[in-house]
Amino acid sequence: KQEVTQIPAALSVPEGENLVLNCSFTDSAIYNLQWFRQDPGKGLTSLLLIQSSQREQTSGRLNASLDKSSGRSTLYIAASQPGDSATYLCAVFSSGGSYIPTFGRGTSLIVHP
Amino acid sequence: EAGVAQSPRYKIIEKRQSVAFWCNPISGHATLYWYQQILGQGPKLLIQFQNNGVVDDSQLPKDRFSAERLKGVDSTLKIQPAKLEDSAVYLCASSRFTTGELFFGEGSRLTVL
Repeated sequence: KQEVTQIPAALSVPEGENLVLNCSFTDSAIYNLQWFRQDPGKGLTSLLLIQSSQREQTSGRLNASLDKSSGRSTLYIAASQPGDSATYLCAVFSSGGSYIPTFGRGTSLIVHP
Repeated sequence: EAGVAQSPRYKIIEKRQSVAFWCNPISGHATLYWYQQILGQGPKLLIQFQNNGVVDDSQLPKDRFSAERLKGVDSTLKIQPAKLEDSAVYLCASSRFTTGELFFGEGSRLTVL
């Protein structure tokens, strides 16, 4: 059974810092990995989708990398802003069987001015 | 393109009552998911549909929860009778195919008193 862990659970940083959020998974047989942000009281917003054949994906100030062999993905946020404050979740699509997306518990990020 | 629609956004009921949530996925998306998210945790998959067939419902408490997607488009999730521990946000997501990018609705927040 796939297990997904996100570290740290919470992070508070001043504006302008570059950040790294971690997502690790126990079964390296994955098809995709997707990063989301969730604002309080809202649904999940897709940030980046990385396919298993890719090593990284970039969107604006966000860069996500994937290392299947070590069971890790990192989300890099450059020049953080207060508007980046949210919970960040990763979902892993396991490749055996029905490709069920399994989520971590998320990293709660606060960027203060 | 319209996003995933969910209703109601909020529902308060007493234990042992019943409740139903509705989801309309993005047009053309064959795969539909219902997730339960308890405060402070990541989303937990309840059921996954591919068109109008069930792909996985292994974590659905079938003694009280039921879900259907009769015409392969919109879906309903029902809880009967509700328990206190069912208080959570119920998230609906859809994707074009089983390994495709997930898109979420705003969620339906249930409070059971």
